[in-house]
Order: sequence, then structure tokens, then C-alpha cells
Amino acid sequence: AQTVTQSQPEMSVQEAETVTLSCTYDTSESDYYLFWYKQPPSRQMILVIRQEAYKQQNATENRFSVNFQKAAKSFSLKISDSQLGDAAMYFCALDSNSGYALNFGKGTSLLVTP
Amino acid sequence: GAGVSQSPSNKVTEKGKDVELRCDPISGHTALYWYRQSLGQGLEFLIYFQGNSAPDKSGLPSDRFSAERTGGSVSTLTIQRTQQEDSAVYLCASSLGEANEKLFFGSGTQLSVL
Repeated sequence: AQTVTQSQPEMSVQEAETVTLSCTYDTSESDYYLFWYKQPPSRQMILVIRQEAYKQQNATENRFSVNFQKAAKSFSLKISDSQLGDAAMYFCALDSNSGYALNFGKGTSLLVTP
Repeated sequence: GAGVSQSPSNKVTEKGKDVELRCDPISGHTALYWYRQSLGQGLEFLIYFQGNSAPDKSGLPSDRFSAERTGGSVSTLTIQRTQQEDSAVYLCASSLGEANEKLFFGSGTQLSVL
């Protein structure tokens, strides 16, 4: 079975600072994909970043980057220069064996303070 | 349409009643997913449609839940004889149908069963 664990129910960061959200997972697959999705109060989930497991290089999207440690099965999200609009729930997700039904963690609520 | 549209946005019903939730995916997207998000939990996969293939119903929690997708476009999730534990946000997503790709989510339907 595949599992995704987000151990931080809530995190807080000051505007312009950097914050790291943790995610660990378990899978028996050697090739898989990992995702971070953002869910603002509007409830509409938005893809933040995607990582292919066979790629050594950590994915980056503007202020968002990941630290992917395959051996440790860790996939943390770093948000640099945090903005008020970054406040949301962040979900880590792992593709299932089927390749389409994602397994999601329980999420981390990020608060950004001025 | 410009995005995934779900209706209603909010639904309050009495225990034992049937409800229908609607999802209108992005035009041209062959894949459609339903997820359930219970309070404080991650997203739970319910069902997946891909083109004209038989849907993957492996995530449906009981036989009170069913879904259909007409003409490869609009989908309806039906919950019969609703129970209080069915209260959750029901999210729909669509994609071009390739494995491990970006999902586009709607804003969900908040279902409250009294």
C-alpha cells in the first residue's frame, strides 16, 4: 500500500521569509511521481510542483522548490519570499500504482503573517 | 468552459435523502475524477472515468454511492440514503488522460447531512 504523511498540521511564516513543509511517503514502486497541491479558501486545488522519481534534480517553480530525498522517501516543499497569497492548505500527493489515482496526505495549513 | 465547474457549491440535506452532485470538466479532457475531502483529512479517491473505458469504481465507500459520465463530458455523483458521515467536500478534477499529469480541480460541493 502507498501512504503519504504530512506531520505538520499547521505552519506559520512571516511575509518575505522562507518556510519548509514536510512530507514523507511509502511506496514499493521504483518509478513514481510526487506532487504538491495548494488549496486556498476557494477550495480549488492548484498544482504547485511535480517531481518525477527517476529524476535526480529537484523540481523548481519560481519561489517554490522541493527537496526530494528518494532513499529517505522524503519530499519537502520550500517556499521562498513568502507572500500573503501563499496562505492555504498544502497537500502532498503520490501517484498510485495505477498512475492516475493520487494518494494525498492530510495537508498542512500555512499561515502567512505580515 | 474555462475551468472545471461543480454544482451546487453547497448542499444541505436531511439524513436518508438522495443527492446528486454535478461536475462539468474542461472541454477536451478525457479523464475525470471524483475525490472526497472530509474535515481535517486529505483527499480520498472515489471514482475515475477515462474516455469510453469502464470506470474505476474502487474508491466508492459503499453501494449508496454511484457515478456516471454522459457523453464523455458531464459527470454526476449520486449518494442515496445519505448519512451524516457523508458530510464532506466532494471535489471533481479533470485532465487530458495521461498518467501522472496535472489535474485541474473544481471548487467542490460542500455537502452537509443533518
